[in-house]
Amino acid sequence: DARVTQTPRHKVTEMGQEVTMRCQPILGHNTVFWYRQTMMQGLELLAYFRNRAPLDDSGMPKDRFSAEMPDATLATLKIQPSEPRDSAVYFCASGLDRGDYGYTFGSGTRLTVV
Amino acid sequence: AQKVTQAQTEISVVEKEDVTLDCVYETRDTTYYLFWYKQPPSGELVFLIRRNSFDEQNEISGRYSWNFQKSTSSFNFTITASQVVDSAVYFCALRASGSGYALNFGKGTSLLVTP
Repeated sequence: DARVTQTPRHKVTEMGQEVTMRCQPILGHNTVFWYRQTMMQGLELLAYFRNRAPLDDSGMPKDRFSAEMPDATLATLKIQPSEPRDSAVYFCASGLDRGDYGYTFGSGTRLTVV
Repeated sequence: AQKVTQAQTEISVVEKEDVTLDCVYETRDTTYYLFWYKQPPSGELVFLIRRNSFDEQNEISGRYSWNFQKSTSSFNFTITASQVVDSAVYFCALRASGSGYALNFGKGTSLLVTP
């Protein structure tokens, strides 16, 4: 089965450090999403791309977060500088821009900022 | 605005019991899609089913069944003869044109099935 690959699976970093999370979407998928999961907020949409172009990043704190798709096989989410409140699981998902299409999620990156 | 409400935060059942997970959604769009995802203790999100707003036919897949009722804006999920392996958090999600291509998730229902 095709899968979305996220790296790293776990990351522990000190407050103030830069964090980069990577996602390899399923080949052929043209839509990529970044979600954040916390106990308090549940699953929140941070940003998404269609054909590598950012469509919506309104859910992302702009001052410290940035998301890019340098090419069709790689999406990145960066936090600089990181803060303890950024501790969460970050999921990447990919799919097709068809309404009836279900998205495939990666295994997530569990980020802990101390 | 799009919204999904899963009022049941946690449910605990004994193995072999039937259990229904509720999902109520809000949208002004006439075309929309509803989804259920499962998140087992390992953490990944597993796609279970999708339904479009024009198809109110109920669906059964093994021990799983889904009841979609537009009149009550509900898309409920029933597990028949539950098993310990069904223990997970289950998320209902909505995708409507108002939200572009993104999925709006409910808060999830944590299901615990005990032997």
